[in-house]
Amino acid sequence: EAGVAQSPRYKIIEKRQSVAFWCNPISGHATLYWYQQILGQGPKLLIQFQNNGVVDDSQLPKDRFSAERLKGVDSTLKIQPAKLEDSAVYLCASSHSGSFGNEQFFGPGTRLTVL
Amino acid sequence: QKEVEQDPGPLSVPEGAIVSLNCTYSNSAFQYFMWYRQYSRKGPELLMYTYSSGNKEDGRFTAQVDKSSKYISLFIRDSQPSDSATYLCAMSEGNAGNMLTFGGGTRLMVKP
Repeated sequence: EAGVAQSPRYKIIEKRQSVAFWCNPISGHATLYWYQQILGQGPKLLIQFQNNGVVDDSQLPKDRFSAERLKGVDSTLKIQPAKLEDSAVYLCASSHSGSFGNEQFFGPGTRLTVL
Repeated sequence: QKEVEQDPGPLSVPEGAIVSLNCTYSNSAFQYFMWYRQYSRKGPELLMYTYSSGNKEDGRFTAQVDKSSKYISLFIRDSQPSDSATYLCAMSEGNAGNMLTFGGGTRLMVKP
């Protein structure tokens, strides 16, 4: 079974530029999550999708971050404009469903550096 | 105060040692407790999970949950250099959405 795919793996941009990350979840997984992991910290949930609908985006900084999952499969996360504090690893995860206890499988992440 | 607290380490032990990793939490609604292992430049992978209080054993790994103390532990017996990684605890209330709250992670180094 193929895992969660993410691209690019690394991205370096200057502040105020925009950037987009792509995620392809495990086939058949209805629920998709985007996390932000700042160096030395645990992952923090940014947004959760169930199919192509948003379940929770309470911790997504909506003035600069946006995410979509148009066909209920792949997802993109965008930052526009980027700030220095956005430097982090952006992890995508998927699970079979959003029900309690469903294991979340993580991708390798995209490491973003904002200069 | 963070919802989930975890000593960042690093924790350095010799090969074969017993390792104890711990987390404390403040939200009494947490019911589902997990330990993830994260190797450098990789995503976290689920090691173990427990529901409510009690112990669970899987090979060299034992997870313990004490809800009365809001304290969870992961024990690793006969530690190996391949166990060197960051260990993250994660918790869920279980009410809806399968949302996880992570600790900051403890970096473990097992020296041959």
